[in-house]
Amino acid sequence: EPEVTQTPSHQVTQMGQEVILRCVPISNHLYFYWYRQILGQKVEFLVSFYNNEISEKSEIFDDQFSVERPDGSNFTLKIRSTKLEDSAMYFCASSEDRVRADTQYFGPGTRLTVL
Amino acid sequence: RKEVEQDPGPFNVPEGATVAFNCTYSNSASQSFFWYRQDCRKEPKLLMSVYSSGNEDGRFTAQLNRASQYISLLIRDSKLSDSATYLCVVILTGGGNKLTFGTGTQLKVEL
Repeated sequence: EPEVTQTPSHQVTQMGQEVILRCVPISNHLYFYWYRQILGQKVEFLVSFYNNEISEKSEIFDDQFSVERPDGSNFTLKIRSTKLEDSAMYFCASSEDRVRADTQYFGPGTRLTVL
Repeated sequence: RKEVEQDPGPFNVPEGATVAFNCTYSNSASQSFFWYRQDCRKEPKLLMSVYSSGNEDGRFTAQLNRASQYISLLIRDSKLSDSATYLCVVILTGGGNKLTFGTGTQLKVEL
C-alpha cells in the first residue's frame, strides 16, 4: 500500500538554526500539507500546497517557514531560525485530487527538538 | 469557543464493551467530518468519514447531527487494539482542504 514517508524521524537542533524537514508524498497525489503537533496538544494545520504554490496557510506559518517541491517527489518544510516553541511533531500529508482532497494520508512525522 | 471540542477522557473500558465518543463543532459551515485514530507518538490515521445518513464500518458506527453540530463514534465489542486517541476532525466550507482537529479522546481497553 502506498504511503507518505518523512525524513528524518527525529531532528535535534540548536535555537536559531535552520532545519529542513523532508517528505515524499504518495506518488499520484496532487495536494500536499504540513501539520504540527506540540506534545500533549492537538494537531494544527500549517500549510497546503498545490500546483507548485501555497493554497492556504495558517497564522502559525509565518515568515520563518517556507515550503518547496524541489523535484517531482519531495516536499520540504524549512524553518529558517528555529525557536524553542517550534519543538513539535511535524506531519506531512497528501491527498489525491480535488474530489478526494479531504481524504488526507499522513506520514509518520518528524520529531523536531529545539534546544 | 473551540472549533472542535471533545471530552479528553481517558475512557477505561473492559474488552468487549461498547463505548461512545462525542464531538461538537462550532462552525455551522463545516462541510466534511471524520474520525481519525492516533496511537501514542504516531501519525493520525483515517478511521472513517462521517455522513449525514450515518455510516458503519464493522464495529465502528459514526453519526452526524448537523442541526446540533454534533458528531459521534460508537465502538462495539472493543478490542485491546482499539486503545488509542480518537480525533474528531472537520473541514470548513470555503476552508480549502484544511483539517481542523479536536484535542482527541483517549480510549484504554483493558482485560
